[in-house]
Amino acid sequence: QVQLQESGPGLVKPSGTLSLTCAVSGGSISSNNWWSWVRQPPGKGLEWIGEIFHSGSTNYNPSLKSRVTLSVDKSKNQFSLKLSSVTAADTAVYYCARDDGGWRYFDCWGQGTLVTVSS
Amino acid sequence: EIVMTQSPATLSVSPGERATLSCRASQSVSSNLAWYQQKPGQAPRLLISGASTRATGIPARFSGSGSGTEFTLTISSLQSEDFAVYYCQQYNNWPPVTFGQGTRLEIK
Repeated sequence: QVQLQESGPGLVKPSGTLSLTCAVSGGSISSNNWWSWVRQPPGKGLEWIGEIFHSGSTNYNPSLKSRVTLSVDKSKNQFSLKLSSVTAADTAVYYCARDDGGWRYFDCWGQGTLVTVSS
Repeated sequence: EIVMTQSPATLSVSPGERATLSCRASQSVSSNLAWYQQKPGQAPRLLISGASTRATGIPARFSGSGSGTEFTLTISSLQSEDFAVYYCQQYNNWPPVTFGQGTRLEIK
């Protein structure tokens, strides 16, 4: 079964760029799925950040679009998130997730990684 | 953007009893509605998609209903492991897909 694992720095300075990678195991990133990032500030709800297909096609949350870049590396079976100009409001647990064959609900999630924005 | 509103924010129910959680969409999402369960320190877990279809391995005590703008998640005969936070999510209109703010189900 497919497993997802996030990795990246747990601490980012204000105005810097948050960079995370999601490694896909047990399956191919080139399958008929979209791959998403979802975040959750401490004690709060879920916010969808954006999604990418193995072709490189992307969709972003309009609220974050100007600061978000998603990319895919098929050779490494992974996809990545970059979020620029971060502030304390970007402190959250970041999850990567897989949709269900084009239906935009998420049937597989990574365990999540906490990213704190602080100097 | 479609706004999803869940009620109540917190629901207190005794083990063995039934819990009914509500989710309302700001405009019709047809049946493109999913429910997730999240326990502390864990990722969300898909329970229901298509408003009423249980995900693989989800017990039959979880059921979903509704269409359009009004949806319900019912958990019959609550077990100790069911106390968690529950989120609804619409995927009819995107980007962005949107989540409700969550309902915390606690032990009474």
